[in-house]
Amino acid sequence: EAGVAQSPRYKIIEKRQSVAFWCNPISGHATLYWYQQILGQGPKLLIQFQNNGVVDDSQLPKDRFSAERLKGVDSTLKIQPAKLEDSAVYLCASSSPLTGSETQYFGPGTRLLVL
Amino acid sequence: SQQGEEDPQALSIQEGENATMNCSYKTSINNLQWYRQNSGRGLVHLILIRSNEREKHSGRLRVTLDTSKKSSSLLITASRAADTASYFCATDVTTDSWGKLQFGAGTQVVVTP
Repeated sequence: EAGVAQSPRYKIIEKRQSVAFWCNPISGHATLYWYQQILGQGPKLLIQFQNNGVVDDSQLPKDRFSAERLKGVDSTLKIQPAKLEDSAVYLCASSSPLTGSETQYFGPGTRLLVL
Repeated sequence: SQQGEEDPQALSIQEGENATMNCSYKTSINNLQWYRQNSGRGLVHLILIRSNEREKHSGRLRVTLDTSKKSSSLLITASRAADTASYFCATDVTTDSWGKLQFGAGTQVVVTP
């Protein structure tokens, strides 16, 4: 079974530029999550999708971050404009009630550096 | 603020020794999970313990949960160099849906040969 795929793996941009990350969850997983992990900290949930609907985006900075999950499969997370404090690893995860919904499967992450 | 807090922040042991790390949390939970993160990689799920369970085993891993003290511990027995990683506890506190995890800051474990 293929795991969660993310791209790009690394991205360097200047502040005020925009950037987008892509995630392809495990096939059949209805729930998809985006996390932000700042160096030295644990992951923080940004947004949770159930199929193509948003379940929780309470910690998403909506003035600059946006996310979508068209057709309930792939998802993109966008930052526009980026700030220095957005430098972090962005992790995508998916889960499925059929395999035990509590377990989340993580992708390798996208490491973002904002200069 | 983070729900879970791991202790210690860092742990250095030799191969063959046991490693114990603790997690404390603040609110009632549905379950508590432990994840491992190797340098530069995503997180890997290790074990889940539900709020009505007190102890669980998986291979060389042993997890305990004390809901009265709002704490959990992860024991890795007979550690190996490959166990070098950061270990995170995550609590599931959702009531109307599932899967909203709150992670602690992690314990960094180094196992030397």
